Amino acid sequence: EVQLVESGGGLQQAGGSLRLSCEASGFTFSNLGMSWVRQAPGKGLEWVSSISGDGRSTDHADSVKGRFTISRDNSRNTVYLQMNSLRAEDTAVYYCAKAGLYDVNGYFSWLFDSWGQGALVTVSS
Amino acid sequence: QSALTQPRSVSGSPEQSVTISCTGTISNVGDWDYVSWYQQKPGKAPKVIIYDVSKRPSGVPDRFSGSKSGNTASLTISGLQAEDEADYFCCSYGGSYTFVFGTGTKVTVL
Repeated sequence: EVQLVESGGGLQQAGGSLRLSCEASGFTFSNLGMSWVRQAPGKGLEWVSSISGDGRSTDHADSVKGRFTISRDNSRNTVYLQMNSLRAEDTAVYYCAKAGLYDVNGYFSWLFDSWGQGALVTVSS
Repeated sequence: QSALTQPRSVSGSPEQSVTISCTGTISNVGDWDYVSWYQQKPGKAPKVIIYDVSKRPSGVPDRFSGSKSGNTASLTISGLQAEDEADYFCCSYGGSYTFVFGTGTKVTVL
């Protein structure tokens, strides 16, 4: 069974930094990409960042580019989101999600098939 | 990276069918057959109910179905049940490990 457990959320002042962690289990971590998706209070889902299985490819939403950095440590089965220069509009629940799925025939699909429980980040202005 | 467009809300009586549209662009929905749909209930993480436009993960009832035409994808719930009341989000892969979500649709069972 796939499990994703986030940690590191909390309250931070605008301009400050936080690092989220997501520890994964139940699948071969280094084979698959991982993503962060956030949801502001009462709002919809927003893709934030993704990283490839080997960590060589990353991308970020324009809203966080230059401020947030996704990384991973495959020896620890953990993906990170370093958030700098935080703004009030970054206040959200941040979900870690497994990005992609191989079926029994080895066919790959892009989807978020497993999600963590979410980590609340609150940025005070 | 503009959000995909969904209706804010749809509603239907039990056993009726409802359809939610998801309109993107040639760069996302129109270019990739990696459209997925997520159901989210209050206080819970999203759950995938459709992927690759029309595939259902194991355990998802067959009353949920998906399709795509051009830059617009659709989710249909046939035979609406009380437990289907939730928020629904579409999502499209956009290449190079990027994704874009829809604006979200609240489904109300009357």
